[in-house]
Amino acid sequence: GENVEQHPSTLSVQEGDSAVIKCTYSDSASNYFPWYKQELGKRPQLIIDIRSNVGEKKDQRIAVTLNKTAKHFSLHITETQPEDSAVYFCAASPGSGGGADGLTFGKGTHLIIQP
Amino acid sequence: EPEVTQTPSHQVTQMGQEVILRCVPISNHLYFYWYRQILGQKVEFLVSFYNNEISEKSEIFDDQFSVERPDGSNFTLKIRSTKLEDSAMYFCANTLGTGIDGYTFGSGTRLTVV
Repeated sequence: GENVEQHPSTLSVQEGDSAVIKCTYSDSASNYFPWYKQELGKRPQLIIDIRSNVGEKKDQRIAVTLNKTAKHFSLHITETQPEDSAVYFCAASPGSGGGADGLTFGKGTHLIIQP
Repeated sequence: EPEVTQTPSHQVTQMGQEVILRCVPISNHLYFYWYRQILGQKVEFLVSFYNNEISEKSEIFDDQFSVERPDGSNFTLKIRSTKLEDSAMYFCANTLGTGIDGYTFGSGTRLTVV
């Protein structure tokens, strides 16, 4: 089955700086790669996703890059703000999103924005 | 924005008891999922459900677990005889089922087995 590795487990950055979280996956059949933000005690919330036909996707301060050859994808957050502090999870799925296949999650990155 | 609703928000049960966790999906969504998250750990896929039957399930989803959609709206997860290690946050999720949409997660049920 799919295995998703995520690094680092904790990331502390100064407010205004950029943060990068990296994930690798094992199953070359994976085509859908979402990123979730989870605040303490709350549900995972989708912040951005990318499918295998796209190499990069951007939404304001958030961007995701995908390298299918190397089987890795990364989350980039620029101009970090205190409200960006949370746990971020990457995930992978064989489908293109929303079918029978479940998501395989990474172990999460605790992002801490220092004021 | 439509939401996935889960009840109860927190359930405490004695080891060996049966529990039923409930989810009200978004009305036009066709695929339903259950995930669990043990405290401080990653989210783990349990099962997907489509057209009133299980589509995929993980190794975690053993004979102690079952799912159903008894009345065409609620989607339930039953744990037949709870163990201490079943203590976790359980999330329901839905998708439209188009194959190109994202997963919407419910607010979760915190299950504590004592």
